[in-house]
Amino acid sequence: AQKITQTQPGMFVQEKEAVTLDCTYDTSDQSYGLFWYKQPSSGEMIFLIYQGSYDEQNATEGRYSLNFQKARKSANLVISASQLGDSAMYFCAMSLNYGGSQGNLIFGKGTKLSVKP
Amino acid sequence: DAEITQSPRHKITETGRQVTLACHQTWNHNNMFWYRQDLGHGLRLIHYSYGVQDTNKGEVSDGYSVSRSNTEDLPLTLESAASSQTSVYFCASSEDYSAEQYFGPGTRLTVT
Repeated sequence: AQKITQTQPGMFVQEKEAVTLDCTYDTSDQSYGLFWYKQPSSGEMIFLIYQGSYDEQNATEGRYSLNFQKARKSANLVISASQLGDSAMYFCAMSLNYGGSQGNLIFGKGTKLSVKP
Repeated sequence: DAEITQSPRHKITETGRQVTLACHQTWNHNNMFWYRQDLGHGLRLIHYSYGVQDTNKGEVSDGYSVSRSNTEDLPLTLESAASSQTSVYFCASSEDYSAEQYFGPGTRLTVT
């Protein structure tokens, strides 16, 4: 069965510093996608970044990058130059690219990031 | 601009009542999903649909049903609301299996 593990329930980072949020995943499938979403206190789910299992380059989107280590089954999110507005809950998620449940997201339990001024 | 909306945003209902949560998207996406979010569990999939007349059960489907009569809408029905169904419900849609899902703003449901 597929599973996403986020081992950091909460983290603090100083403004303008970089922070890494950990995510490990478990699947025996070869074709899958990894996603990160941000959920601020207002409650909406905001898509941040996507990495396909066959992508050789790590995905980047502005200040967000995904450190993809396939052999270790990890997909850590790196936020550079943290801002106060980055304070939020962050969810790692995975989807399979084939089969009866293709495209369905399996979420981790999230990491609450707090950025200190 | 395309969007995905949910209504109502907040709902209080009594145990045993039937409740329907609406989800409407104007992205013209074939794939639509319902999740619930509870403290300590993250988001869990309730039901999903890959197109009109297609519906499938997710991880936590007991006590819920959906129907898909058109591309834009996927209403979620709680047949007989239970206190355990107090939660925040999110609807989402996506273009295909490898694309990001766009989420609605959520519905906070309280069952008393």
